[in-house]
Formats: sequence, C-alpha cells, structure tokens
Amino acid sequence: GQQLNQSPQSMFIQEGEDVSMNCTSSSIFNTWLWYKQDPGEGPVLLIALYKAGELTSNGRLTAQFGITRKDSFLNISASIPSDVGIYFCAGFLSYGGSQGNLIFGKGTKLSVKP
Amino acid sequence: DSGVTQTPKHLITATGQRVTLRCSPRSGDLSVYWYQQSLDQGLQFLIQYYNGEERAKGNILERFSAQQFPDLHSELNLSSLELGDSALYFCASSVEGSNQPQHFGDGTRLSIL
Repeated sequence: GQQLNQSPQSMFIQEGEDVSMNCTSSSIFNTWLWYKQDPGEGPVLLIALYKAGELTSNGRLTAQFGITRKDSFLNISASIPSDVGIYFCAGFLSYGGSQGNLIFGKGTKLSVKP
Repeated sequence: DSGVTQTPKHLITATGQRVTLRCSPRSGDLSVYWYQQSLDQGLQFLIQYYNGEERAKGNILERFSAQQFPDLHSELNLSSLELGDSALYFCASSVEGSNQPQHFGDGTRLSIL
C-alpha cells in the first residue's frame, strides 16, 4: 500500500533547541496534516495544510506543504519538556473528489532533556 | 478534549471471542473513521462511514465489521479474535469528507490473552 516515509524515527534534544522532522512520499497528496500523540491518548491535530507551498504556524510550530506535493516538514522552535511525544504526519490520498484515505507516517518520537 | 468519545477504554479478552467497540463522533461530524494502531504498523486505516453508509475501506480483515447508526455513533465489531489483534483501536470523526481534518478519540486498548 501507499506509504509515507517519516524521519527521523526518534530525536533526543536539549530543551530550547529547534526541532525539524519531515515526511516524504512517492505519491502526490492534496492535504497534509500533522498530529501529536501523548501516551494513553489519541492523536491531536496540530496543523493542517491544503495548498502546495503553504506555510502555516501554530504557536512555536511551523509546517510547510512541499511544492512537489510529495513532502511536508514540521519545525518546533525553542522546544520545552511538554513537547515530548510522538509526532505523526498524514497525507490525504485522493481517489476522486473528497474521497480517499488518510495515510499516516510511522511517527517521530521526540524526547527532550530538561 | 477532541469531542470524540470511545468506550471502553480497555478491553481484555481471549482468543476466539468477539468484542464491540463504540464511538460517538464530535457534534456535527458526519464521518467516522476507525484505525488500528500497533507498535510495528503505526496507524492503519480500517474503514470510514459517512452519514450511516460505508464510504471507504482500508486494511480491514473480514473478521472485522463496522456500522454507523442513525444517531451517527459507530461500532466496530471484532470477531474470532487472534493474539495479533491486540492493539489500540482509534475512532476519528470529521465534518464531511476524509480530506478534512480528522479528530481522534482516546482509543480502546484491546488485549487478547
């Protein structure tokens, strides 16, 4: 099936550092979503991107929809301990109009040293 | 709080058994999606319902089935359970089509003994 390659798989960074993660695919997507999942909870939507080249921010988080529509990245600036969790990218693969499947990357596990 | 409610939170059962997981979508959302999350496979799309009708199918086993009721809540039925079915099962909802952001519940953790 379709796959998203999300990297890195895990990161262990110092508090205050900036973080960058990305997703790539061989398929074209027309929507990219970024989610964060904390232990014992469901994924929470962080940012939604709908147009190629779109750059959207949500507080310290910034995400971009790649020009080729095959990739997206998420940046977290000045990381803090509560940023710990697993970040998932998801791309909407259309097979006609608004119908299609949301394909998830395997996640980037972020650990922050206090 | 996403507004999506899933019950039960935990379920422990034995191989060969059948279970039903329940999901209430956010108020106003017509689409419900079911996902399976296991350690080695990430989030796998199972099935989508829109306003009571099946809209899309993913990697859903024949032993699994789902339905969406007139009040828009949904149930996922898992039968002839196997050890490999142990996983987190998430429900998500969106206003309409699946190209819109999906909001997730907190999941049901299913453990097969």
